[in-house]
Amino acid sequence: GAVVSQHPSWVICKSGTSVKIECRSLDFQATTMFWYRQFPKQSLMLMATSNEGSKATYEQGVEKDKFLINHASLTLSTLTVTSAHPEDSSFYICSANTGSRGYTFGSGTRLTVV
Amino acid sequence: KQEVTQIPAALSVPEGENLVLNCSFTDSAIYNLQWFRQDPGKGLTSLLLIQSSQREQTSGRLNASLDKSSGRSTLYIAASQPGDSATYLCAVSLRDMRFGAGTRLTVKP
Repeated sequence: GAVVSQHPSWVICKSGTSVKIECRSLDFQATTMFWYRQFPKQSLMLMATSNEGSKATYEQGVEKDKFLINHASLTLSTLTVTSAHPEDSSFYICSANTGSRGYTFGSGTRLTVV
Repeated sequence: KQEVTQIPAALSVPEGENLVLNCSFTDSAIYNLQWFRQDPGKGLTSLLLIQSSQREQTSGRLNASLDKSSGRSTLYIAASQPGDSATYLCAVSLRDMRFGAGTRLTVKP
């Protein structure tokens, strides 16, 4: 139980285009989801906290107009990377707190901007 | 701001050795601590979850301890195997989850 499904698993896009990443909680409701970014050989850095029905909370240094987060239901949060550039190429991963079972993570999305 | 540190950054051992990975955190006000495994290019697999009121958790060859007051946790891997090769991440949570930089483990056959 407590599975978070994330897709796509990988995406290649042209510079200047936008990419949407989806995370769904399959067997539980997630009022809050967390979005992380991981550059090669580095750890996961929290980008933002996604709150169902309200605005996301962004970490310092993360551009909210570039990384649009929507959490319209208790089971779906989306991250849209707008006007992507090569420096946005990274591994993006979402997670949700299941309570007693701790945090569970999606399988991640490898974004490459060319 | 919570900071999580993992030592060593990388570790290479021969198969069969017992080993210890270390994690420290600066703010002891945590809800729980979780150890994850990450294979190259992949997502995270949860290994052990320790609630703030607990001292340790065990799963198979893995044992994790937590000393909240001193801000430390250790992950003990017994009888290491080549399949254990991966990056091990320690993370602490309160309102959100913060990660250490990880320990890259290589177990040589």
